[in-house]
Amino acid sequence: SQKIEQNSEALNIQEGKTATLTCNYTNYSPAYLQWYRQDPGRGPVFLLLIRENEKEKRKERLKVTFDTTLKQSLFHITASQPADSATYLCALDSSSASKIIFGSGTRLSIRP
Amino acid sequence: GAGVSQSPSNKVTEKGKDVELRCDPISGHTALYWYRQRLGQGLEFLIYFQGNSAPDKSGLPSDRFSAERTGESVSTLTIQRTQQEDSAVYLCASSLGGQAYGYTFGSGTRLTVV
Repeated sequence: SQKIEQNSEALNIQEGKTATLTCNYTNYSPAYLQWYRQDPGRGPVFLLLIRENEKEKRKERLKVTFDTTLKQSLFHITASQPADSATYLCALDSSSASKIIFGSGTRLSIRP
Repeated sequence: GAGVSQSPSNKVTEKGKDVELRCDPISGHTALYWYRQRLGQGLEFLIYFQGNSAPDKSGLPSDRFSAERTGESVSTLTIQRTQQEDSAVYLCASSLGGQAYGYTFGSGTRLTVV
């Protein structure tokens, strides 16, 4: 079955540095990969979607890469700020093409 | 509406009772999804609606769980004879349809079974 792996350990970054989060997947070749942000007590918020034929996508301080050979996506936040502290979820479309499957998320903490 | 609305935001129920959770998706979004999130864990898919039909119910944990959608709008998730392991946040999301679009989530219903 499809498996998505995100680093379960929290990532602590100094403000101003670039935060890099990793999403690895197995047993599938997704056509799309998405990243979401989730704050405590709230639903996930959609950030970016990248297609399998795209290597990189940017949105303001965010950058996502998608390496279908390595079966990996990297999510970068440049010039990180304490307000970027949240849990970030990777999600990919499922083989049944009816829904997206989420990873368990990585908690990011930006210290001033 | 401007976003996905879920009600109630919190629900405490006694074991064995039935509960109904409601989701109002964004107007015009044909696809609607229910997920469950246990404390400290990731999102677990429950059911997907396209319009009023549910082509994928594969995530419903047992026959105590059911969902319906009417008028290509409101959806209700019903849990019968609730058990303590049903305690979780139930999240609803809607999208324009297909996996090429991001999902818009509601804030969820926190269900506690005591």
